[in-house]
Amino acid sequence: DAGVIQSPRHEVTEMGQEVTLRCKPISGHDYLFWYRQTMMRGLELLIYFNNNVPIDDSGMPEDRFSAKMPNASFSTLKIQPSEPRDSAVYFCASSPNRNTGELFFGEGSRLTVL
Amino acid sequence: KQEVTQIPAALSVPEGENLVLNCSFTDSAIYNLQWFRQDPGKGLTSLLLIQSSQREQTSGRLNASLDKSSGRSTLYIAASQPGDSATYLCAAHPGAGSYQLTFGKGTKLSVIP
Repeated sequence: DAGVIQSPRHEVTEMGQEVTLRCKPISGHDYLFWYRQTMMRGLELLIYFNNNVPIDDSGMPEDRFSAKMPNASFSTLKIQPSEPRDSAVYFCASSPNRNTGELFFGEGSRLTVL
Repeated sequence: KQEVTQIPAALSVPEGENLVLNCSFTDSAIYNLQWFRQDPGKGLTSLLLIQSSQREQTSGRLNASLDKSSGRSTLYIAASQPGDSATYLCAAHPGAGSYQLTFGKGTKLSVIP
C-alpha cells in the first residue's frame, strides 16, 4: 500500500512568488494534516481536514496561507505571496478514522524562499 | 497549553549499548502518546503508540512506557545499532475529539560503530 505522497520534494522560489504543495493521503484515511517543521519551532500543525472538510486552521500563520481538499485523495497547501520566513519543510500526514489517532507522514516538501 | 519536552537534544552512544530516550509533558490529560523516528531528509515514521490506559508497548528492540501521573514517557532501545541513528520525536494526543498533537523537538541519536 502506497504511503502519503507529497510533491514537489524540493522547491526553491523567489520572494513574492506563489507556491503550491501537493499531497495524496493514504487511501481510506479520513483525516489529513499539514505540518510545518523548522529548527527553531519544531513541528507545527497548520491545518487538518476530516472527510475533506477543514476542521481546524488555527495554525495557519496568516492569510497568505491557504489549504484545500477538493476530494478524498488530494490536498494542496498554497502560499501566496511567499516570504523568506516561510522556508521550512512542509509535511502532509493522514490518519484513519479510528480512535488510535496514529499518524502516517509523507516525506515532506522542502521549501526555500530566496 | 500542552508542552512536550525531550532532553537531551542529542545523544551519542557506542554500538551495543542499551539506552533510554525521555519525553515529558505538562498536561497529563492525554489520549495517547506516540513515538516517531525521523531520518535526515525524510518524514516521520511511527514507532510505537501507547494509549492512555496502557503502561507500555513493545516492538522488537523498542519498548515505550507511559506514566501519566508524572507526565513522562520513555523509549528504551536495546542493543543499539548504527542503523538506529536518527532523530526520535514524541507526540502527545489531547483526546479523541481533537487532533492537535503536540510534538517534542526530538532527540538526535547517534550510534557509533
